[in-house]
Amino acid sequence: GAVVSQHPSWVICKSGTSVKIECRSLDFQATTMFWYRQFPKQSLMLMATSNEGSKATYEQGVEKDKFLINHASLTLSTLTVTSAHPEDSSFYICSASRTSGSYQETQYFGPGTRLLVL
Amino acid sequence: AQSVTQPDIHITVSEGASLELRCNYSYGATPYLFWYVQSPGQGLQLLLKYFSGDTLVQGIKGFEAEFKRSQSSFNLRKPSVHWSDAAEYFCAGALRDDYKLSFGAGTTVTVRA
Repeated sequence: GAVVSQHPSWVICKSGTSVKIECRSLDFQATTMFWYRQFPKQSLMLMATSNEGSKATYEQGVEKDKFLINHASLTLSTLTVTSAHPEDSSFYICSASRTSGSYQETQYFGPGTRLLVL
Repeated sequence: AQSVTQPDIHITVSEGASLELRCNYSYGATPYLFWYVQSPGQGLQLLLKYFSGDTLVQGIKGFEAEFKRSQSSFNLRKPSVHWSDAAEYFCAGALRDDYKLSFGAGTTVTVRA
């Protein structure tokens, strides 16, 4: 149980184009989904938190107009990198968790999406 | 500020030897603590977690971790490593009323034959 998938697993795009990454919880309903960014040989940095049906909360320094997040259902969240540039090349990882009352359950991570912007 | 620190960037261990990865936390209160493993090009897999109760936590793949409040530590151990344990290991923490995970910088484990 608690499987999270991401699609695509890797994507190459031209500078200036937009890229959409999907994150799905396959066998549970995810009240909250998180998007992380990981540079080579570095740790994960939280970009934003999204709750189903509401606007995402972005971490300081993350451009909300550049990284559009939509959490339209309890099993799907999308991250769109708009007008991508080479510096946006990175490994993007999502995670999902359930909330039981005020108790936030463990985050389960997707396999990641590697983005290369040429 | 809340933080998780992994003092060791890289550890090399012989196959069959024991492994211990260090993790220290700095929080105002006892946080939730986690250990994740990441294989090359892959996402993160949860090894184990500590919320409360027994301070020695058993996880998957033969790993265990011990929560020590007096040392603000949550070190990960495995008695005998296998070549497949070569990976990046991340310690993470979260406040009990805030679900955001803060990750340590990670420790790369290399297993030599």
